[in-house]
Amino acid sequence: AQSVAQPEDQVNVAEGNPLTVKCTYSVSGNPYLFWYVQYPNRGLQFLLKYITGDNLVKGSYGFEAEFNKSQTSFHLKKPSALVSDSALYFCAVSDTSGTYKYIFGTGTRLKVLA
Amino acid sequence: DTAVSQTPKYLVTQMGNDKSIKCEQNLGHDTMYWYKQDSKKFLKIMFSYNNKELIINETVPNRFSPKSPDKAHLNLHINSLELGDSAVYFCASSQDLVPAGTQYFGPGTRLLVL
Repeated sequence: AQSVAQPEDQVNVAEGNPLTVKCTYSVSGNPYLFWYVQYPNRGLQFLLKYITGDNLVKGSYGFEAEFNKSQTSFHLKKPSALVSDSALYFCAVSDTSGTYKYIFGTGTRLKVLA
Repeated sequence: DTAVSQTPKYLVTQMGNDKSIKCEQNLGHDTMYWYKQDSKKFLKIMFSYNNKELIINETVPNRFSPKSPDKAHLNLHINSLELGDSAVYFCASSQDLVPAGTQYFGPGTRLLVL
């Protein structure tokens, strides 16, 4: 069965510092991994995804994520955080086993402090 | 132009009532979804339709009935509303059913059952 874990409920980082939001996954087939962001009172917005190929994936708003198969991780990163990055971040996984659905993590609230 | 729209944005109603939430997407996508986000922000898939055909039907009470009149619309009807139905309901769409597809979310419908 698919599962995804976001071990941190909240991450605090100072503006201008690098940020990392962690995600680990478990799937039975090849993983497809996604990051979405949710701003207050809004729907989720797609940031980036890993399907195959280069382990470092670049996405919207300067975010990137690194797929690590041996550690079954897909951590979201940004070299320099902005206050406007403060939001709720969701990791999601789907796979090739034919279930046709995403499983979302529990979300990590990112707070960037000015 | 709103890609995925939902109406209403807010819904306050009494226990036992029946209500509907409508969703429309203008992206030309074949697949649409309903998700429920609870007060702890956990996001769980409820249903998905592909070309008007039900594909995913998670363990949702049968008081919830989705209807897809055409590919661009997926409505959610809820009978005999209960307090535990209070949540934010998100509609989403994707180009097709493949698990690697990016999903596009609507702004959500905030349902409060009193």
